[in-house]
Amino acid sequence: KQEVTQIPAALSVPEGENLVLNCSFTDSAIYNLQWFRQDPGKGLTSLLLIQSSQREQTSGRLNASLDKSSGRSTLYIAASQPGDSATYLCAVPNAGNMLTFGGGTRLMVKP
Amino acid sequence: GAGVSQTPSNKVTEKGKYVELRCDPISGHTALYWYRQSLGQGPEFLIYFQGTGAADDSGLPNDRFFAVRPEGSVSTLKIQRTERGDSAVYLCASSLNRNPTYGYTFGSGTRLTVV
Repeated sequence: KQEVTQIPAALSVPEGENLVLNCSFTDSAIYNLQWFRQDPGKGLTSLLLIQSSQREQTSGRLNASLDKSSGRSTLYIAASQPGDSATYLCAVPNAGNMLTFGGGTRLMVKP
Repeated sequence: GAGVSQTPSNKVTEKGKYVELRCDPISGHTALYWYRQSLGQGPEFLIYFQGTGAADDSGLPNDRFFAVRPEGSVSTLKIQRTERGDSAVYLCASSLNRNPTYGYTFGSGTRLTVV
């Protein structure tokens, strides 16, 4: 059974810092890995989807990397802003595209 | 529609009552998923529809939970005899199909509170 873990569970940084969020998974036979953002009381917004054949994906100040062999993905946020404050979740699908999520990292960027 | 729509956004109900939660997926998406998210945790899978049929309901916690998608578009999650432990955010998502190379689009969720 796939298990997904996110470290740290919470992170508080001053504005402007570059930061890294970590996601690990136990079964390396994944199809892809997706990073989501969740604002308080809201649904999930897809940020980046990395296919199993890819090493990284970039969108603006966000860069996600994937290392299948070691069961790890990282989400790098450059020049963090208060508006980046949210919970970040990673998830991997099984063959039927049902997602297994990590517990999330709650990020607070202080002005 | 342009996104996945869920109604109501908030629902407060008394213990023992029946509730229905609605999900309207992106037009043309054949795969529809329901997840449940408890406070401080990641979402957990409940049920998956491919078209009109429930292809996998292994995540439903017990027989008080049921979901339908009669015309292959809108889905309704139904909870009978609600309990306080059912309080959570219920998330719906759709995908083009069940191929895992396709990503998800989630709705904003329904926050259910059982008092």
